[in-house]
Amino acid sequence: QKEVEQNSGPLSVPEGAIASLNCTYSDRVSQSFFWYRQYSGKSPELIMSIYSNGDKEDGRFTAQLNKASQYVSLLIRDSQPSDSATYLCAVNARGGSNYKLTFGKGTLLTVNP
Amino acid sequence: NAGVMQNPRHLVRRRGQEARLRCSPMKGHSHVYWYRQLPEEGLKFMVYLQKENIIDESGMPKERFSAEFPKEGPSILRIQQVVRGDSAAYFCASSPAGQGKEKLFFGSGTQLSVL
Repeated sequence: QKEVEQNSGPLSVPEGAIASLNCTYSDRVSQSFFWYRQYSGKSPELIMSIYSNGDKEDGRFTAQLNKASQYVSLLIRDSQPSDSATYLCAVNARGGSNYKLTFGKGTLLTVNP
Repeated sequence: NAGVMQNPRHLVRRRGQEARLRCSPMKGHSHVYWYRQLPEEGLKFMVYLQKENIIDESGMPKERFSAEFPKEGPSILRIQQVVRGDSAAYFCASSPAGQGKEKLFFGSGTQLSVL
């Protein structure tokens, strides 16, 4: 069973702090990794993608990938109340030509003003 | 540039009725995916389609559920003889055929309620 695991939270951080969200995956052949943000009652929104080991930065977001440890994380710097949402980790489960994503259950992040 | 369009946003059905959920992918996208999200659960893959072809339906229940993506018109997810356990949010996502094909963009979803 190919799985993606996340802590369900809730993760609570004060405004301005760094929020750290973690994800592990079981399928070693996974090649593409994504973070989606989902506000309550809304659709998932793609915020970061990462394909190779190391860090990838985009504004206040940094994605980190370690394929040897099968671990991917998302850091949110200078957290804002508007960042409060559920963050979904998604992994391309097979690679190649099938772009089906496997999602974790998500981590609920609350940023307190 | 319109995003992924799903309708209806909310659908109420009684047990035993049929539910039809529609999805129009983003302009230029030829890959469509359907996911189901139950309360407190993650997004679960159901089916992956390209125009006139079902590529992967490994996540779809063998009975009562079917999906299509015709040459013309939206993709349809059809649930026959609905039961209460089918109540969920159904999300459609699309991606392009070329560069960026691994990135999925989601519609607003259809919330199905079975009475």
